[in-house]
Amino acid sequence: DSGVTQTPKHLITATGQRVTLRCSPRSGDLSVYWYQQSLDQGLQFLIQYYNGEERAKGNILERFSAQQFPDLHSELNLSSLELGDSALYFCASSVGAGENGELFFGEGSRLTVL
Amino acid sequence: AQSVTQLGSHVSVSEGALVLLRCNYSSSVPPYLFWYVQYPNQGLQLLLKYTSAATLVKGINGFEAEFKKSETSFHLTKPSAHMSDAAEYFCAVTRMDSSYKLIFGSGTRLLVRP
Repeated sequence: DSGVTQTPKHLITATGQRVTLRCSPRSGDLSVYWYQQSLDQGLQFLIQYYNGEERAKGNILERFSAQQFPDLHSELNLSSLELGDSALYFCASSVGAGENGELFFGEGSRLTVL
Repeated sequence: AQSVTQLGSHVSVSEGALVLLRCNYSSSVPPYLFWYVQYPNQGLQLLLKYTSAATLVKGINGFEAEFKKSETSFHLTKPSAHMSDAAEYFCAVTRMDSSYKLIFGSGTRLLVRP
């Protein structure tokens, strides 16, 4: 158990819909990262927040947005969903801003868009 | 830009045989390099990391990796494979600037035959 909690574990929805994925980092960790894992794209970095502020941005679509709240939990919002958004979405956390590269991953939220 | 290339999407070994998973990196600055493992239906967890100290790095579960600057490689090895080593292994690199984004390779699935 990494200490990172993600909900929901599984989500099935239709094209055009909007979903929210939630992540609670390990106690004491200030950074939260979002990654998308799919068969064709592999593990893609989406975005990082550090202590409530956006720290780094990766291949995140404009239809996707994220935030980190004062209690340090984070949400990833996916809107106008397309079939290609079906993937496993991982949240990870780290103590600092990622200087030592040691991330702790949750078990992921599997999104299926029909 | 930093990147890593993992040679071989699948590697199959017999139980007790040597495990060798290949990773080559590309980086304009000294990199920090990592190996992560993903067991079925789980998130990723850190196996080991290189942060410019010793070039031979020992990790968990008997794995080790050697940083070779001349070959821009960071291959993962284990002298004797165990059935429980069957998983997907990811090489990753981060850059030591303000972003600290962890960039993953495409992954190598290790199959262990009895």
